[in-house]
Amino acid sequence: DTGVSQDPRHKITKRGQNVTFRCDPISEHNRLYWYRQTLGQGPEFLTYFQNEAQLEKSRLLSDRFSAERPKGSFSTLEIQRTEQGDSAMYLCASSSTMVYENTGELFFGEGSRLTVL
Amino acid sequence: GENVEQHPSTLSVQEGDSAVIKCTYSDSASNYFPWYKQELGKGPQLIIDIRSNVGEKKDQRIAVTLNKTAKHFSLHITETQPEDSAVYFCAAYNQFYFGTGTSLTVIP
Repeated sequence: DTGVSQDPRHKITKRGQNVTFRCDPISEHNRLYWYRQTLGQGPEFLTYFQNEAQLEKSRLLSDRFSAERPKGSFSTLEIQRTEQGDSAMYLCASSSTMVYENTGELFFGEGSRLTVL
Repeated sequence: GENVEQHPSTLSVQEGDSAVIKCTYSDSASNYFPWYKQELGKGPQLIIDIRSNVGEKKDQRIAVTLNKTAKHFSLHITETQPEDSAVYFCAAYNQFYFGTGTSLTVIP
């Protein structure tokens, strides 16, 4: 257990529905990342936060995806109007990093698996 | 654009042998190169990392080497054990880019 928790662990939904995932990072960590992982692939970066500020978003992140970290603690990732291609594992990670430094260990949660029927 | 290529995609070794996994990257601004191990049903976990100001780092049976000129870095696992069986990922460019993974199987 890395200390990063994600909820729900599994979600099955029908195409067109909205889903929301929650991530609770390690409490003292100021950076929070979201990745998507499909079978046989590496984690694909979606977005990251420094405290409550969303500093980077992948060009792959369509406007159906939105992420928030309102108080600089937990984060939510919402997918609107889900498509079958959204089926994947959504991983959250946190790290404790100085603002000027973009390095350091990421602590991953166990992920939220989404299946879109 | 940025790219991280990882080879091989699968690797089988006999217990006690060494395993080597290689990654190449394209962005010369990358200065941090971690390796993560992912076991089934779990998130990736850091096993070793290296920064651009050193060429090699070792931690017991695991080592990482970096060639900044050639833009590649490698993971070396010596005296492999069955519990080393997992998928290994490299990353670069602020950990925004991960390799496609290497599935390592250590045969007892």
